[in-house]
Amino acid sequence: DTEVTQTPKHLVMGMTNKKSLKCEQHMGHRAMYWYKQKAKKPPELMFVYSYEKLSINESVPSRFSPECPNSSLLNLHLHALQPEDSALYLCASSRGTSGTDTQYFGPGTRLTVL
Amino acid sequence: QKEVEQNSGPLSVPEGAIASLNCTYSDRVSQSFFWYRQYSGKSPELIMSIYSNGDKEDGRFTAQLNKASQYVSLLIRDSQPSDSATYLCATSYFGNEKLTFGTGTRLTIIP
Repeated sequence: DTEVTQTPKHLVMGMTNKKSLKCEQHMGHRAMYWYKQKAKKPPELMFVYSYEKLSINESVPSRFSPECPNSSLLNLHLHALQPEDSALYLCASSRGTSGTDTQYFGPGTRLTVL
Repeated sequence: QKEVEQNSGPLSVPEGAIASLNCTYSDRVSQSFFWYRQYSGKSPELIMSIYSNGDKEDGRFTAQLNKASQYVSLLIRDSQPSDSATYLCATSYFGNEKLTFGTGTRLTIIP
């Protein structure tokens, strides 16, 4: 089973709202990722958690705040977003972070910021 | 600058023919190579991973890796309309948590 789940599937929020995206995997993977993808572009890495610790922050604005409550869960807290933050947000997981481990993507959350 | 390059397409192939997708990479330390398929509005789905020079086959899909020439390709035999999607090439190397993605090739299978 290589399933990564994400909720919600769609989210519309105003620029003053606070919302959270959730990601879950039960494959025993120890690395989890958040990506942002704009139309006709490849996924763009935002954050990497390795063994529940933040290991990479790709200079993402502070209005995006990741959280890893345990090895199976990953959240992305959103606050004061801008319309240009509208995108598909993808969560992925991999067995480890060796560089040879395959990353498996969840279905994504389509975010629209009004 | 680590780069992965793909022809953005669109690449049009008749149904039943072989689709050939190519990817070149600039970082010689790249060791892991992945092909993802992404339907419009959906998330990337792993098609194939390859780590050693040569060919790797899985059903209608064959990945080919040539590290000396720094390219990796994906062949799709007996192309079906359901193969119409964007194909993303990605690379990584040992000890690196990041995947470097190409811009993707949009493939259209013509019935």
